[in-house]
Amino acid sequence: NAGVTQTPKFQVLKTGQSMTLQCAQDMNHNSMYWYRQDPGMGLRLIYYSASEGTTDKGEVPNGYNVSRLNKREFSLRLESAAPSQTSVYFCASTTGGPVETQYFGPGTRLLVL
Amino acid sequence: GENVEQHPSTLSVQEGDSAVIKCTYSDSASNYFPWYKQELGKGPQLIIDIRSNVGEKKDQRIAVTLNKTAKHFSLHITETQPEDSAVYFCAAGDQTGANNLFFGTGTRLTVIP
Repeated sequence: NAGVTQTPKFQVLKTGQSMTLQCAQDMNHNSMYWYRQDPGMGLRLIYYSASEGTTDKGEVPNGYNVSRLNKREFSLRLESAAPSQTSVYFCASTTGGPVETQYFGPGTRLLVL
Repeated sequence: GENVEQHPSTLSVQEGDSAVIKCTYSDSASNYFPWYKQELGKGPQLIIDIRSNVGEKKDQRIAVTLNKTAKHFSLHITETQPEDSAVYFCAAGDQTGANNLFFGTGTRLTVIP
């Protein structure tokens, strides 16, 4: 039981490049989330998926897209990376809604030059 | 939306002393208040949570208190140990709605041996 896994662990991009961050969970959770973590700003929700086939915007969705590929996988895509998207990205999952224990992955550190 | 403020941003204590971290929230509808611990290079992990129907909850050396009237809640760690050194985040959410969790900006706790 690996919990929540994320790939890659670290990535460097040039401005304008695109990439997809991958997230998978093996806990049979219904809901999945993408957060970004910036110094002094805590965790901010980018997008979430309450169930397979649904996605919704969070607090800071601009510049991102998501896909809930199946119950296990939730990917985050940057179509045209900007330096402001330099951050650490965390994926999380819960059995039901957001106001219960969230299980986080180890994070992806992204640097956009 | 909800605004969660967390203080202090850094805290150093001697091993064996107590540590207290405080958070305030703005939305009176919030009724779920978790605390997460993040160790270096890892994702946040839930350590304790409290719901609005209780004023205090304790789990071994960790306790959380909630004052709904004043809209603040606190994390108390007693008999601190070096392994308690980490970044701690508070959060607030509303169980009854579709609202998500809103996180504080984090407190870096250092326990000095």
